[in-house]
Amino acid sequence: EAEVAQSPRYKITEKSQAVAFWCDPISGHATLYWYRQILGQGPELLVQFQDESVVDDSQLPKDRFSAERLKGVDSTLKIQPAELGDSAMYLCASSQPGGEETQYFGPGTRLLVL
Amino acid sequence: QQQVKQSPQSLIVQKGGISIINCAYENTAFDYFPWYQQFPGKGPALLIAIRPDVSEKKEGRFTISFNKSAKQFSLHIMDSQPGDSATYFCEGTSYGKLTFGQGTILTVHP
Repeated sequence: EAEVAQSPRYKITEKSQAVAFWCDPISGHATLYWYRQILGQGPELLVQFQDESVVDDSQLPKDRFSAERLKGVDSTLKIQPAELGDSAMYLCASSQPGGEETQYFGPGTRLLVL
Repeated sequence: QQQVKQSPQSLIVQKGGISIINCAYENTAFDYFPWYQQFPGKGPALLIAIRPDVSEKKEGRFTISFNKSAKQFSLHIMDSQPGDSATYFCEGTSYGKLTFGQGTILTVHP
């Protein structure tokens, strides 16, 4: 069964450093999402891509976060500089437009900022 | 508003019992209501979903009951098993955008 791939699974960094997360969606899924999940809470959408275009980044802290999906396939989420409050699980999901629009989530990247 | 309110925050059930999680929403533009199950250290996975034109959907031990006029829906897990212990999220979806509830931590004791 096709799955969303994410790497790394775990990342420990010091504040003010730069970190990057990678996501490879299910083949053929045009829509890609990045979420942040703080421990004990539900995921919150950071950015949504349709192919290579950003369709919603209203909740993305643009002063330090950036996301790209240059060829409309895999995607990278970057944080620079990282802050203590960025410690969270970063989840990637993908879906096919139309139909049920079910989102399929990857295993996530757990970030710890020291 | 796109808020989805979920209760209870945590739930403890004995093996074989019924687990019930409730959700209420405000955004009438929601057109799809999935439930996701998340195990520790894993991403959420779709468990079951319903459209607002259906009042109930059952898949195995899992049933969604939907009350459109009250803007409420619930998940029932029959014959709960220790393997069902996880965090459950209800969501509302509008134009493909998920709005998650706060989550319910379910613990099923053997």
